[in-house]
Amino acid sequence: KQEVTQIPAALSVPEGENLVLNCSFTDSAIYNLQWFRQDPGKGLTSLLLIQSSQREQTSGRLNASLDKSSGRSTLYIAASQPGDSATYLCAVNGPGGGADGLTFGKGTHLIIQP
Amino acid sequence: ETGVTQSPTHLIKTRGQQVTLRCSSQSGHNTVSWYQQALGQGPQFIFQYYREEENGRGNFPPRFSGLQFPNYSSELNVNALELDDSALYLCASSWQGIDTQYFGPGTRLTVL
Repeated sequence: KQEVTQIPAALSVPEGENLVLNCSFTDSAIYNLQWFRQDPGKGLTSLLLIQSSQREQTSGRLNASLDKSSGRSTLYIAASQPGDSATYLCAVNGPGGGADGLTFGKGTHLIIQP
Repeated sequence: ETGVTQSPTHLIKTRGQQVTLRCSSQSGHNTVSWYQQALGQGPQFIFQYYREEENGRGNFPPRFSGLQFPNYSSELNVNALELDDSALYLCASSWQGIDTQYFGPGTRLTVL
């Protein structure tokens, strides 16, 4: 059974810092990996999707990497801003594609101090 | 392009009752997935519908059931509600179920 772990569980940093969020998964047979952002009590906003054959994806100040063989992904946030404060969730899609559903970690709760 | 919408926003039910939650998928998407998110946890996969058929299911009992309609909107039905069913219910739509998943704002269900 796939398990996804996110470290750290919580992180508080001053504005302007670069930071890295970590995600690990136990079964390397994934179809893709997706990073999401969730504001309190709200739905999920997709940030980046990395296919299993890819190594990284970039969008603005965000960069996500994937090392499928070691079961790891990182989300790099450059020049953090208070508006980046949210919970960041990592999720993997199993080898069956969408029919397996996404398996999520518990998230990293990020606070950017002004 | 219309995003994923869900209704109602909030719902309060008592134990043993039945509830129906609704989801309208994003334009052009043919797959809808449902997730349950307890407080402080990541979402848990309930099931997925592709072209009106259930094509994947997580570890949820049969009292969780669903439908997908020809316009690809979907319903989640939960019978015999239990206190532990209190959670945020999220629906996500995608193309073929393997592309980026786009989530709705969720329905907050409270079971008393």
